[in-house]
Amino acid sequence: GAGVSQSPRYKVAKRGQDVALRCDPISGHVSLFWYQQALGQGPEFLTYFQNEAQLDKSGLPSDRFFAERPEGSVSTLKIQRTQQEDSAVYLCASSLGGGRSHPGYTFGSGTRLTVV
Amino acid sequence: QQQVKQSPQSLIVQKGGISIINCAYENTAFDYFPWYQQFPGKGPALLIAIRPDVSEKKEGRFTISFNKSAKQFSLHIMDSQPGDSATYFCAAIEGSGGGADGLTFGKGTHLIIQP
Repeated sequence: GAGVSQSPRYKVAKRGQDVALRCDPISGHVSLFWYQQALGQGPEFLTYFQNEAQLDKSGLPSDRFFAERPEGSVSTLKIQRTQQEDSAVYLCASSLGGGRSHPGYTFGSGTRLTVV
Repeated sequence: QQQVKQSPQSLIVQKGGISIINCAYENTAFDYFPWYQQFPGKGPALLIAIRPDVSEKKEGRFTISFNKSAKQFSLHIMDSQPGDSATYFCAAIEGSGGGADGLTFGKGTHLIIQP
């Protein structure tokens, strides 16, 4: 597609429920990033993939958060046993270059997760 | 520890005026500084970016001014228009391999351009 596609756009989860958020990056983009954006805040880095390799997961807040990109294209962010503090917009971004070769960093519109 | 501090939190400018948003950073290893624009319900979109080897970069109505010694950089929007009303984020990253692979963002500035 022309842009980064994320699904679902909105997700309401009961506390303790597991959720899976999907990201379809721009075709051919090597790098894929996940960010968490709390209400009224800037995005915070979660994790980075170069093709199928997860090269940096330093931003994942706890071991309840897990991300994968098994074939180097679509990525899934999974949150186990959701807590209220997980409520945020989860943004996916992709770029053509590997590593830190910016610009070309295109964000999706995000998935808004609300944990009740 | 907030590595990129952004101000003001909100800003109201009259149409045709100049909007100025400021950021300060602490990590001297940062070497790439982009600005993003975000509309409600959308992801951030890259506006303009600068590296520390230049003091100013201009693209259309948008200009970044960079002061390496003061560890500060700012976004100027000339001839501000109602369509510029959005939230603006500054960001930074180390390009040479240190630190995280993701951008460090400021907390954002909510800009309103009054007609």
